[in-house]
Amino acid sequence: TQLLEQSPQFLSIQEGENLTVYCNSSSVFSSLQWYRQEPGEGPVLLVTVVTGGEVKKLKRLTFQFGDARKDSSLHITAAQPGDTGLYLCAVLPWAGGFKTIFGAGTRLFVKA
Amino acid sequence: EAQVTQNPRYLITVTGKKLTVTCSQNMNHEYMSWYRQDPGLGLRQIYYSMNVEVTDKGDVPEGYKVSRKEKRNFPLILESPSPNQTSLYFCASSLSAQPNTEAFFGQGTRLTVV
Repeated sequence: TQLLEQSPQFLSIQEGENLTVYCNSSSVFSSLQWYRQEPGEGPVLLVTVVTGGEVKKLKRLTFQFGDARKDSSLHITAAQPGDTGLYLCAVLPWAGGFKTIFGAGTRLFVKA
Repeated sequence: EAQVTQNPRYLITVTGKKLTVTCSQNMNHEYMSWYRQDPGLGLRQIYYSMNVEVTDKGDVPEGYKVSRKEKRNFPLILESPSPNQTSLYFCASSLSAQPNTEAFFGQGTRLTVV
């Protein structure tokens, strides 16, 4: 069982559609990060959310941290082919030293 | 340019032949990590290092070794590679181990063990 469960695992949509992907856990975190990974590259940080209920916007991307700081969502408005990639959430858990945990990711494909 | 550099990008090797994947960062970061990425499993941390001479196990350390003799370098060593270590490997660095610190990743090393 993964500490972070991401859903859906795979999403294929048409350009212009809206979508939401989720990152869920039964644990509480001090903060949570979202990364995007394009084919052949390493992940790149999109955002860090630190406050329960926090909403951050990055152009057409809206990130929300759950009130209880156990989950997060990423909403993309009017998706474009350039949004195609693997979206990963990541946390540094309270326990377990200073390990970093990633979810398995949501692979998004936006068709033109 | 601030970056994390891994070498090699691609490597095919045979079972049991020791290999080292190098990682270097030029940002004076304290925290460095190695991950492996396998389909459906996301990134799993192999080892991490809080600073020079301070390393610790991540979630999947078996079959790997690391060292941190200098702040900028964090090599990953496979003493006796096996086929189940075929994977895509990433090195990452961040300023510190604080939860809200951005991690910078290298471009990855695709390793095949036959």
